[in-house]
This record gives sequence, structure tokens and C-alpha cells, in this order.
Amino acid sequence: NAGVMQNPRHLVRRRGQEARLRCSPMKGHSHVYWYRQLPEEGLKFMVYLQKENIIDESGMPKERFSAEFPKEGPSILRIQQVVRGDSAAYFCASLETGSPSSGANVLTFGAGSRLTVL
Amino acid sequence: GESVGLHLPTLSVQEGDNSIINCAYSNSASDYFIWYKQESGKGPQFIIDIRSNMDKRQGQRVTVLLNKTVKHLSLQIAATQPGDSAVYFCAENNFGNEKLTFGTGTRLTIIP
Repeated sequence: NAGVMQNPRHLVRRRGQEARLRCSPMKGHSHVYWYRQLPEEGLKFMVYLQKENIIDESGMPKERFSAEFPKEGPSILRIQQVVRGDSAAYFCASLETGSPSSGANVLTFGAGSRLTVL
Repeated sequence: GESVGLHLPTLSVQEGDNSIINCAYSNSASDYFIWYKQESGKGPQFIIDIRSNMDKRQGQRVTVLLNKTVKHLSLQIAATQPGDSAVYFCAENNFGNEKLTFGTGTRLTIIP
């Protein structure tokens, strides 16, 4: 099990360009969560998707940001017309069932995609 | 709004000593808490979790304590090692709802 895979690990864009971040959840998992982390801050929830469905997008900015999780292929977080404030690390997570300590389902995170907007 | 926050942003501990990282939460409806460790350039890694029907849970060298009366959570790391140097986040939600609310984080530095 390769875990949660994210790419690219690093992405540099100029203001106004588009950024596409990809996430493949753990094998067999059909739910993904996207989080954003600004420098020296905690992770902020953005969106929760199942295959072909957006379940909760309460953390997504109203403009320029979109996410999808098609039937085939990875989940994609898309940021249009990037601005410097979009510079952050974007993490994807999938659920790992039954933590060894409590039995709860635990979010397992990928290594993240670090977006830098020049 | 509801939030999870930490008392100390940085903590330095001598190698071999014990460390305690604290976290305050404000959402009284939260009933599930998790500690994550994040090393530089990596994603958060699960350490230990606890449900609100417990006040203590132990793992390997780590203990989580939950005080619901004062809405306080702590992570104790025993016999710290250089590999423990990282940023530690507490997170909370309602059990069964995997959308987590994260605190700001505490940077733990182990001094050799």
C-alpha cells in the first residue's frame, strides 16, 4: 500500500496562472479530504469528496477554487488565476479504518503539494 | 467561531527528558481528539487519539490526557529522542465525522 500519493510535490506559478494538484488516496479508498496549510499555521479543511461527488465544500473559497474526484483517476484540486495568497501547502487525506488505539477511522495524509505563487 | 488552539508555540526539551504539549479546545460538542506529528516537508502523521469517554490513553512513549471540564488536551512524550523534533498538532471533531479542526501547532525541538 503506497499510502496517499500527491503530485506535484512542488509547484511554482505566476500570478494569474492555473494550478492543478493531484491526489490518489490509499488503495481501495473512495473518499478524499483536501486541507490547506499556510506557513506556520495549522491545517484548514477545504473539501471532502467521494467518487464523482462533492460531500462537503464548506472550506473552499467561493471563487477560483474547485475540486473533483472522477470515477477514474486521481482527485484534482484546481486553483484558477492564482494570487500570492494561494501560496501554501495543500494536503490530501484518505480514511484509514480502525485506529490501533481507539478503533476510530483516522485521516491519513499525503506528503503534500507546496504551491508557490510568484 | 469554534476553534482549537495551543498554549505554547515552541518548546525545547533536552534529549531524554519528558515533554508535555498542551492544547485548548472551545467546541464543547467535540468528542474525539487526535494528535498529529508533522516533520519538516512532510504531511501530518497520526500519533494517538482519544474519545471523550476517556481521560487518558497511552501508546508507545506517548500519553494523551483529556480534561473535559476545562477543555484541555495534552500530549506527553517520554524519554524524548532527536526524532521527536517536529510540529505537533491537536485536532478535534465529532466522532464519526472525519472533518477535523486543527490547532495552530507547537514546534518541539529536542536538544542533544
